[in-house]
Amino acid sequence: DTAVSQTPKYLVTQMGNDKSIKCEQNLGHDTMYWYKQDSKKFLKIMFSYNNKELIINETVPNRFSPKSPDKAHLNLHINSLELGDSAVYFCASSQAGGLFETQYFGPGTRLLVL
Amino acid sequence: AQKITQTQPGMFVQEKEAVTLDCTYDTSDPSYGLFWYKQPSSGEMIFLIYQGSYDQQNATEGRYSLNFQKARKSANLVISASQLGDSAMYFCAMREYTDKLIFGTGTRLQVFP
Repeated sequence: DTAVSQTPKYLVTQMGNDKSIKCEQNLGHDTMYWYKQDSKKFLKIMFSYNNKELIINETVPNRFSPKSPDKAHLNLHINSLELGDSAVYFCASSQAGGLFETQYFGPGTRLLVL
Repeated sequence: AQKITQTQPGMFVQEKEAVTLDCTYDTSDPSYGLFWYKQPSSGEMIFLIYQGSYDQQNATEGRYSLNFQKARKSANLVISASQLGDSAMYFCAMREYTDKLIFGTGTRLQVFP
C-alpha cells in the first residue's frame, strides 16, 4: 500500500492556468508538508499543516494556496501559473511534527509550465 | 549562512566498496535531528537513516551508517558494500525547532561495476 500518494504524477499546463495537486497519506500522521524541488534539485519547504492547521508558511507567492480538508489530505492549488513554477512538488507527512520524527515523502508531481 | 553543506557534488565508487558522503551542518540549537534521503533517477525521496542530537551511538540501518561527530558538526553517510542500485542523489537534511526539513544541495553517487 502506498503510504503517501500524490496526483497527478505529471502536470503540463500553459502559463496563466490554475491547477491543483492532491496528496493523501494513510500513515495516520498528524502533520503534512509541501516541498518544492527546483531544476538544480534543491528542496525547500513551502507549507506544513498539523491537524488541518497551517503551521509553516514560507515565503511563497500567494498564488499558492494549500488546503487540508482533513489530516490525511493536503492539497496544493496554484493560481495563474508562471514559467518559474515549473518544478517537482513533493508532499510529505510525519507523526506529531516533532524534531525526531521522520518525514515520509510522496512520489512527487512534476509540473511543467509552458 | 548555509545550514546544511554537502561539498561533494558527485562521487564515484566501485561496486562492493564502501563510500562516505559528507555532510556538515550549522545550528546553535542543542536539539536537532539529522536525516539522509536517497533520490534515485525515478525521482522519489526515500528515507534512509536518522540521527538525533542526543543520540550517543551512531545510527545504523543495514548497509547505511551515519558517522555523527557532534563537535565537528558533521553527519556523514557511510554506505558499505555498494551496489549498482545505490546510484542516486543523496540528500542530507536537518530539523531544528521548527517542523521543516532543511536540505543540502545533494551528492550524486555513481556506482560502477
